[in-house]
Amino acid sequence: DARVTQTPRHKVTEMGQEVTMRCQPILGHNTVFWYRQTMMQGLELLAYFRNRAPLDDSGMPKDRFSAEMPDATLATLKIQPSEPRDSAVYFCASGLRVSGELFFGEGSRLTVL
Amino acid sequence: KQEVTQIPAALSVPEGENLVLNCSFTDSAIYNLQWFRQDPGKGLTSLLLIQSSQREQTSGRLNASLDKSSGRSTLYIAASQPGDSATYLCAVTNTGGFKTIFGAGTRLFVKA
Repeated sequence: DARVTQTPRHKVTEMGQEVTMRCQPILGHNTVFWYRQTMMQGLELLAYFRNRAPLDDSGMPKDRFSAEMPDATLATLKIQPSEPRDSAVYFCASGLRVSGELFFGEGSRLTVL
Repeated sequence: KQEVTQIPAALSVPEGENLVLNCSFTDSAIYNLQWFRQDPGKGLTSLLLIQSSQREQTSGRLNASLDKSSGRSTLYIAASQPGDSATYLCAVTNTGGFKTIFGAGTRLFVKA
């Protein structure tokens, strides 16, 4: 059963700490998206990759957020330093360019105290 | 810049009723449009995907239509059930950059 896997599922940390979220896309998918979901803003696109290359990260606060794909099976989203306003659910999604259908992970719920 | 709007924001209906959820987008240069379902505390589940060359897609009690020229899509749910209660999100993928943008969603509650 192919699925997008995200870790950790829940993270509570203190302001100023570094947070790293990981995503394993579905095998064979060449497009990976990172979204952030809050009650106020809904789903916001942070960054996305095609064939491991970053295509757009204009949705990310550049001073504290970074996204990478070290290899085809791993995407990471890092926040350093974290702030209370970063508290949200972070979703990873993967897909194939041809069909465009997106498959989402269960999300990483981040709470920054 | 693509903007996606969903109306209504929330909807409560009695079981068995047919209902329509609406999605509108500002830029008609889209690759596809996708409808998702999200249950509380869960990720998003893809319901229907409509390519830009298609007018509609059907899956069981769900039917989604696309009118690219007017920038609109509708999700029709027939004979609603309490298990349909969830948030329904519309997402548009633009041509060129293939960026996928979401609407704010419609929260549906089906009363038994």
